[in-house]
Amino acid sequence: AQSVTQLDSHVSVSEGTPVLLRCNYSSSYSPSLFWYVQHPNKGLQLLLKYTSAATLVKGINGFEAEFKKSETSFHLTKPSAHMSDAAEYFCVVSDYGGATNKLIFGTGTLLAVQP
Amino acid sequence: DTGVSQDPRHKITKRGQNVTFRCDPISEHNRLYWYRQTLGQGPEFLTYFQNEAQLEKSRLLSDRFSAERPKGSFSTLEIQRTEQGDSAMYLCASSATSGSDEQFFGPGTRLTVL
Repeated sequence: AQSVTQLDSHVSVSEGTPVLLRCNYSSSYSPSLFWYVQHPNKGLQLLLKYTSAATLVKGINGFEAEFKKSETSFHLTKPSAHMSDAAEYFCVVSDYGGATNKLIFGTGTLLAVQP
Repeated sequence: DTGVSQDPRHKITKRGQNVTFRCDPISEHNRLYWYRQTLGQGPEFLTYFQNEAQLEKSRLLSDRFSAERPKGSFSTLEIQRTEQGDSAMYLCASSATSGSDEQFFGPGTRLTVL
């Protein structure tokens, strides 16, 4: 069965400093992995996705993530945080084992950006 | 706006009442998903439709829950005899069968059961 573990429930950074949100996955086969962002009172938005092409995936708003099979990790990074990045971030794996491609979400990391 | 829409955005009800939520997916998407998100948790899968066929239901979906997608377009999720534990955000997502499998999410319906 597929699962993801987000290692930090809260992360606080200062504006202009790097962001690192950590995620480990468990999958019995080559996974499809995603990062979604959820701003207050807004719908979930896809930041980026990994589907076995390049291991370094670039997403929107300057975010990127690196798939590391040896470490079963898919950490999300951004070189310089902006105030507008404050939101909840979810690491997600797609359940391709069934036919539905349903998404399995981590518990989320709440990112706070201090001025 | 051509995104996924959900109605209502907020619903407050008393325990024991029935509620129904509606989801309108992106028009060319034939895959539709319902998820539930409780406070401090990530969304959890509830059920999946391909066109009008309901192909998978989570064990989270008790007998009090029913979902339909009668014409393969909009979908409804009904909860009968609501309980306080049903209080959550109910999210709908849609995706296309071919090409990108990205799921596009609606804004959700927040249910509060008093």
